[in-house]
Amino acid sequence: AQTVTQSQPEMSVQEAETVTLSCTYDTSESDYYLFWYKQPPSRQMILVIRQEAYKQQNATENRFSVNFQKAAKSFSLKISDSQLGDAAMYFCAYRSAVGYGGSQGNLIFGKGTKLSVKP
Amino acid sequence: EPEVTQTPSHQVTQMGQEVILRCVPISNHLYFYWYRQILGQKVEFLVSFYNNEISEKSEIFDDQFSVERPDGSNFTLKIRSTKLEDSAMYFCASRMTGGTDTQYFGPGTRLTVL
Repeated sequence: AQTVTQSQPEMSVQEAETVTLSCTYDTSESDYYLFWYKQPPSRQMILVIRQEAYKQQNATENRFSVNFQKAAKSFSLKISDSQLGDAAMYFCAYRSAVGYGGSQGNLIFGKGTKLSVKP
Repeated sequence: EPEVTQTPSHQVTQMGQEVILRCVPISNHLYFYWYRQILGQKVEFLVSFYNNEISEKSEIFDDQFSVERPDGSNFTLKIRSTKLEDSAMYFCASRMTGGTDTQYFGPGTRLTVL
């Protein structure tokens, strides 16, 4: 079974600085998707960024980028120019690409990293 | 921008009572999911639904749980006889067919069982 590990329960960053959140996963599959979701105090899950395992190029979305190391099964999130609004729980998630319909479409989440942003 | 909606935002119920949590997925999505997050813990998959039937469910999704798509827009999660340990945030998510594999989450329903 696939597992997702986030080894940093809490992180802190100064406003305007850069922070990297770690995520490792375990799978025997070769094709899959990886996601970072943000959960602010409102507790809504907001997609930050996604990465297809077959793509070598790291995904970027404005101030958010990932470092995807497939061989090492590592998927870290880098937040540049941190803003106060970035303070939230960040969850790394894995989804298998195999199967059709809704089968195996569920996300497997890590335990999350709580990010604090200091003004 | 289309979004997943959920009602109610907060539900308080007595142990043993039935609750129904409602979700309206994004209109052109065909895959639907329920997840649960107990306070302070990670988000856990409950069930996925496609083509009017359950396609996958976790060990958490026992006989006390059921899902239904009663019409073309709503997607519901029913808990028949709530337990204290059912207190959690329940998230609905939906996904398009083909192309993207991104699941879009609703704002969640906080269920409190007393």
